[in-house]
Amino acid sequence: KNQVEQSPQSLIILEGKNCTLQCNYTVSPFSNLRWYKQDTGRGPVSLTIMTFSENTKSNGRYTATLDADTKQSSLHITASQLSDSASYICVVSPYGGSQGNLIFGKGTKLSVKP
Amino acid sequence: DAMVIQNPRYQVTQFGKPVTLSCSQTLNHNVMYWYQQKSSQAPKLLFHYYDKDFNNEADTPDNFQSRRPNTSFCFLDIRSPGLGDAAMYLCATSSGQGGTQYFGPGTRLLVL
Repeated sequence: KNQVEQSPQSLIILEGKNCTLQCNYTVSPFSNLRWYKQDTGRGPVSLTIMTFSENTKSNGRYTATLDADTKQSSLHITASQLSDSASYICVVSPYGGSQGNLIFGKGTKLSVKP
Repeated sequence: DAMVIQNPRYQVTQFGKPVTLSCSQTLNHNVMYWYQQKSSQAPKLLFHYYDKDFNNEADTPDNFQSRRPNTSFCFLDIRSPGLGDAAMYLCATSSGQGGTQYFGPGTRLLVL
């Protein structure tokens, strides 16, 4: 069964600190993996997208890594800011899947405290 | 700016009273999606349109219907809302198969 598991479920860090969020997936075959940021009460916003051949992708203070062999991805946030408080969702697209066939993780809820 | 717009942002309806949620996009994407997201859960795909072709997920209740009168607009109709239908409803668009989905801000539905 295609699944995406994220950890931790929630995380609290102090402003300025770094953190790493994890995503493990069992989706196969695999097309691409995305990380989305979802602010409370808002729609998800895409941060990064990686195909199976890419190992790392950066977007400002966000750096995503991908190990297609172990089916693991991480999202590293550097020098966290209060505005980073949000849920971070890992989304995997199966290869050859239908238009809407994305597999969503449940997200990691990040709280950045001053 | 090109974007996905959802109206209203908040909708309150009564149990059993039909409600329509609206989504419009200026991205000219050919695929539009409707998701239901309950608190602390992942978005759940209800259906999507590839151009005019409607694709319903197998477990989407018949209570949920959709219309796409043109490329820019898509509507979600809930014929007889139940208390369990209270959720955030997200509209998304993408360009072709596998394209990044761009989400609207969502409509939060409350059923009294």
